Amino acid sequence: GNSVTQMEGPVTLSEEAFLTINCTYTATGYPSLFWYVQYPGEGLQLLLKATKADDKGSNKGFEATYRKETTSFHLEKGSVQVSDSAVYFCALSNAGGTSYGKLTFGQGTILTVHP
Amino acid sequence: GAGVSQSPRYKVAKRGQDVALRCDPISGHVSLFWYQQALGQGPEFLTYFQNEAQLDKSGLPSDRFFAERPEGSVSTLKIQRTQQEDSAVYLCASSLVTANTGELFFGEGSRLTVL
Repeated sequence: GNSVTQMEGPVTLSEEAFLTINCTYTATGYPSLFWYVQYPGEGLQLLLKATKADDKGSNKGFEATYRKETTSFHLEKGSVQVSDSAVYFCALSNAGGTSYGKLTFGQGTILTVHP
Repeated sequence: GAGVSQSPRYKVAKRGQDVALRCDPISGHVSLFWYQQALGQGPEFLTYFQNEAQLDKSGLPSDRFFAERPEGSVSTLKIQRTQQEDSAVYLCASSLVTANTGELFFGEGSRLTVL
């Protein structure tokens, strides 16, 4: 079956530090990969996605590259801000068939950025 | 409203009580998902609707869980004879299309605590 593993958190950084949150997956076929973010007091929202191998998703300064050879989709940002403090979830969805866009999530990584 | 709305936001139930959780998806969204999120974990899929049809209920943990979407818009997740292990945040998400884009719009969730 499908599964997603994220690096254990929480992660605490100073403002302007470099961020990496690791994500690896196990899936059949050729899944689409996503990062969702949950800011305090808000619902989950899509941060970025990649639908095929070697694609790079990017948004708000965050990037992640779909690496099929290592089954990974690590999230990176060159310079974090206090406003990036949130919980980040890596997720996958199998393409086609009867998946209906059903997402399999990792356990989430809490990021706290200090001024 | 502009987003997915869930109610109640918080629910405390005594063990054995029945509860009903409501989801108002974004108007016109065809797809609707329910997820269960235990403390410190990622969301786990419960069930999926395409309009009024429940196409996938493979994630429902027991026959005490029941979901409906009779008119293809508002959905209700019902839990009968609640148990302590049902304590979790229940997330509703909707999507405009049925294709596997993974771009789901999430509500803020209903937090259920069973005493």
